[in-house]
Amino acid sequence: AQRVTQPEKLLSVFKGAPVELKCNYSYSGSPELFWYVQYSRQRLQLLLRHISRESIKGFTADLNKGETSFHLKKPFAQEEDSAMYYCALKASGTYKYIFGTGTRLKVLA
Amino acid sequence: DARVTQTPRHKVTEMGQEVTMRCQPILGHNTVFWYRQTMMQGLELLAYFRNRAPLDDSGMPKDRFSAEMPDATLATLKIQPSEPRDSAVYFCASGLQGEKLFFGSGTQLSVL
Repeated sequence: AQRVTQPEKLLSVFKGAPVELKCNYSYSGSPELFWYVQYSRQRLQLLLRHISRESIKGFTADLNKGETSFHLKKPFAQEEDSAMYYCALKASGTYKYIFGTGTRLKVLA
Repeated sequence: DARVTQTPRHKVTEMGQEVTMRCQPILGHNTVFWYRQTMMQGLELLAYFRNRAPLDDSGMPKDRFSAEMPDATLATLKIQPSEPRDSAVYFCASGLQGEKLFFGSGTQLSVL
């Protein structure tokens, strides 16, 4: 069965500090991994996906198949990064998206 | 700017009452998902459809929940009878061929 684990419910960092939001997955096949973000009073939206290997708003995430992880990183956090972040997995050959429990990021001034 | 539309935005009801939540997916999207958001479980997948056919509803309590797509512009999630533990935010999302999901604003349900 597919599973996505985000071990931290809340992560607080100071502005300018590095950020790492952890995501581990369980899936026997070849997964597609995503990060979705929900800013205050906004809809959940795609932040980035591993197959595009792009950096969005300074965030990057590398798929580590050996550790089955897809951690989200940013070298210098900004106050506007404060939001709820969800890691998601889509099983290959399906349309099924499984989300983790989410991590609330608070960037302190 | 195309958006997924969910109604109602808020619903307060009493235990035992029927609740119906509606979703209008983005025109042309062929996959529709229902998720439930809670603090403890995060985003739980309840059910999803492709081309209006249900593909997986294993996340739904079958005895009280039902999900349907009567046509391509409407998806419904029904709870009958509702219970206090059903209180949560219910999200609908749509996508095209498994590409990124577009989420609605959610329905905040409170069952007293």
